[in-house]
Amino acid sequence: GNSVTQMEGPVTLSEEAFLTINCTYTATGYPSLFWYVQYPGEGLQLLLKATKADDKGSNKGFEATYRKETTSFHLEKGSVQVSDSAVYFCALSKGSNYKLTFGKGTLLTVNP
Amino acid sequence: ETGVTQSPTHLIKTRGQQVTLRCSSQSGHNTVSWYQQALGQGPQFIFQYYREEENGRGNFPPRFSGLQFPNYSSELNVNALELDDSALYLCASSLGASGTIYEQYFGPGTRLTVT
Repeated sequence: GNSVTQMEGPVTLSEEAFLTINCTYTATGYPSLFWYVQYPGEGLQLLLKATKADDKGSNKGFEATYRKETTSFHLEKGSVQVSDSAVYFCALSKGSNYKLTFGKGTLLTVNP
Repeated sequence: ETGVTQSPTHLIKTRGQQVTLRCSSQSGHNTVSWYQQALGQGPQFIFQYYREEENGRGNFPPRFSGLQFPNYSSELNVNALELDDSALYLCASSLGASGTIYEQYFGPGTRLTVT
């Protein structure tokens, strides 16, 4: 079946550091790929998405590129801020009901 | 435009009891999906309702059941609660058409604790 594996956390960075959170997936065909963010005490918010190979999703300085050859969708940001502290989830969607399959999440803490 | 709302925010139940969680979808959305998020884990798909019909189910036992109403709001019912049912329950709404489901918008969740 479909699955998503993302790097274990927690990740702790200083403000303005470079961020990478690795995500790989297992699925047949061409799923859609997503990054969601969950701030403390809140629900999930879509951060970015890509629906086909080589697409780059971007939002609020975050980027991720859909790599079919490596089945990956790594999240990057050039300069993190304290306000980026949250849990980040990689997810894929495939099938007739487009259900989301999530990774376990990566906790990011950014210190001033 | 009102976003996805869920009630209650928190709930404490005893093992063996039954619980009903509620979700109001975003205006104009006809599809509701429910997810269970255990502590420290990613959300897991429970089931989805599209225009009042179940449209897919994850690996959850039959004691997890749901409804969608004509106004597209939804309920998640769990019977015979077990300790492992303690989790954050997330509802997501989206606009679906035949063969296509658009972006899912999540509510803040209901935190269920089973003692």
